[in-house]
Amino acid sequence: DQQVKQNSPSLSVQEGRISILNCDYTNSMFDYFLWYKKYPAEGPTFLISISSIKDKNEDGRFTVFLNKSAKHLSLHIVPSQPGDSAVYFCAASRRNAGKSTFGDGTTLTVKP
Amino acid sequence: GAGVSQTPSNKVTEKGKYVELRCDPISGHTALYWYRQSLGQGPEFLIYFQGTGAADDSGLPNDRFFAVRPEGSVSTLKIQRTERGDSAVYLCASSLATGGGELFFGEGSRLTVL
Repeated sequence: DQQVKQNSPSLSVQEGRISILNCDYTNSMFDYFLWYKKYPAEGPTFLISISSIKDKNEDGRFTVFLNKSAKHLSLHIVPSQPGDSAVYFCAASRRNAGKSTFGDGTTLTVKP
Repeated sequence: GAGVSQTPSNKVTEKGKYVELRCDPISGHTALYWYRQSLGQGPEFLIYFQGTGAADDSGLPNDRFFAVRPEGSVSTLKIQRTERGDSAVYLCASSLATGGGELFFGEGSRLTVL
């Protein structure tokens, strides 16, 4: 039973346009959500997070939206840049519970 | 280097052999995590430590897997009687404190069991 799902294995966008990556979760106990970015042969690096008490968090070109009723979150990147090409992982956790549960990732390709 | 360091970066072994993977976390990080990532999948939780003790080992797949962190810093993941299905990238991460927050990952140790 996969508790965090990223249903799109890949996404391709043109440079300068918006990239939207989606994530769904099933465990209503999750109250903290994170996005990580991963380049080949490197470990994942933290990108942005959101607490369940918020519905939006913005950091520069990156915005994460949370819809608790739908158990859905999305990461918006605007404008997209070729350097954003990477695998993006959605992760969910319970505050003070240690582990994060990851989705299987979405490979984003931004074409010049 | 101030990041999480993992050794070896690559390990090739034969089925049935014993393997140790080492993780050196960021100095001052009290929480340390081990994850396993197979091709095309996301990181899968194995175990995490708060200090020297294993706070949650619910992700260890069976008793062939064991991890220690004797002094609350460096951790070793030990795999006995390796099987071909153990082939994966083993990721270590650390954080300032437990709480489900941001993790700082190492580059991983790629294990191949022939």
